[in-house]
Amino acid sequence: QKEVEQNSGPLSVPEGAIASLNCTYSDRGSQSFFWYRQYSGKSPELIMSIYSNGDKEDGRFTAQLNKASQYVSLLIRDSQPSDSATYLCAVKGNSGYSTLTFGKGTMLLVSP
Amino acid sequence: DTGVSQDPRHKITKRGQNVTFRCDPISEHNRLYWYRQTLGQGPEFLTYFQNEAQLEKSRLLSDRFSAERPKGSFSTLEIQRTEQGDSAMYLCASSSPGTTQGTQYFGPGTRLLVL
Repeated sequence: QKEVEQNSGPLSVPEGAIASLNCTYSDRGSQSFFWYRQYSGKSPELIMSIYSNGDKEDGRFTAQLNKASQYVSLLIRDSQPSDSATYLCAVKGNSGYSTLTFGKGTMLLVSP
Repeated sequence: DTGVSQDPRHKITKRGQNVTFRCDPISEHNRLYWYRQTLGQGPEFLTYFQNEAQLEKSRLLSDRFSAERPKGSFSTLEIQRTEQGDSAMYLCASSSPGTTQGTQYFGPGTRLLVL
């Protein structure tokens, strides 16, 4: 069974700090990795995707992937109170179709 | 470019009733997914369509659940004889072969409460 693990949090950081969110996955053949942000009562919103080992930067967000360690992370620089949300890690395997396996999410709280 | 839309946004029903939800994907997307999300959990995959063909179904999708995508455009998800355990957010997502690695975009969801 494919599993995606995230620390449920909450992760509390002060405004302006770097928030680090982590995710591990069990399916070694996984190919694509996604981070979604979900505000309370809302649907998931795509933040970033990453497919190759290393770092990928987009504005204040950096995704990091290490397939050997089966580990993916999301760094949020200069955290803002508006970043307070639940961050979902999602993984697409290389078998079957394009379905995603999600972690339970990490709640991030950014205090002013 | 309009995003994924879902209707209704909220549904309250009594146990034993049937409910039907609709999803309209992004217009050029031929792939459509249904997920279910309960409080404190990530979305769980229910079923997947490519055009009008239902290609994959989760074991979570019991016999009371049925999904269709008759013309490869919008999709419906029906739950028969609802149970209190069906209370959840039902999410629809779509993607295109042209989107990078099948990136999925979610609709606003339908929140179901079974009394």
